[in-house]
Amino acid sequence: NAGVTQTPKFRILKIGQSMTLQCTQDMNHNYMYWYRQDPGMGLKLIYYSVGAGITDKGEVPNGYNVSRSTTEDFPLRLELAAPSQTSVYFCASRPGLAGEQFFGPGTRLTVL
Amino acid sequence: TQLLEQSPQFLSIQEGENLTVYCNSSSVFSSLQWYRQEPGEGPVLLVTVVTGGEVKKLKRLTFQFGDARKDSSLHITAAQPGDTGLYLCAGAGSSGTYKYIFGTGTRLKVLA
Repeated sequence: NAGVTQTPKFRILKIGQSMTLQCTQDMNHNYMYWYRQDPGMGLKLIYYSVGAGITDKGEVPNGYNVSRSTTEDFPLRLELAAPSQTSVYFCASRPGLAGEQFFGPGTRLTVL
Repeated sequence: TQLLEQSPQFLSIQEGENLTVYCNSSSVFSSLQWYRQEPGEGPVLLVTVVTGGEVKKLKRLTFQFGDARKDSSLHITAAQPGDTGLYLCAGAGSSGTYKYIFGTGTRLKVLA
């Protein structure tokens, strides 16, 4: 099992550009999450999904969109990138309400 | 809005010393998790506590969930350089455990 994989590892965007951060898990987990982590801080929940076709907003959803067409994939879309979106983005998954949350290695995004 | 405050924010100690990290909130959580995160990686789960007053031990690490389920502590005995990292607490709200709210983080450095 690869666990949770994220691509790309690093990306630099110009203000106003858009991009998609990819997240895939091979553990057949229903629950998937996107977080952002600013330097030296904890994680803020952006969006989450409890199964294919079901998504919901977290604490900081503005400027982002998600989709969940399959159990495995949970891409995060940034439209009109802004410097405030400079952060490290983590995708995570877990099997159910009581299960452990597994994190991917993160995507470091810089918006200039 | 549920918030989790961690203290101290930074901690630098010598190998062999003991330390305690605190995670406090004014909200009640149905469960609380502790993670350790190393630079360039995603957080890794250390423990989950679910019952008020619960104490769990993981080798030199002792975790406690407050009686009112609003706070938690992590105590490390005889710290080692390998304990260095960012420690995060995360609470699941009383409305369900779909979402975890992460604390502000404690950065620990153990000097040899």
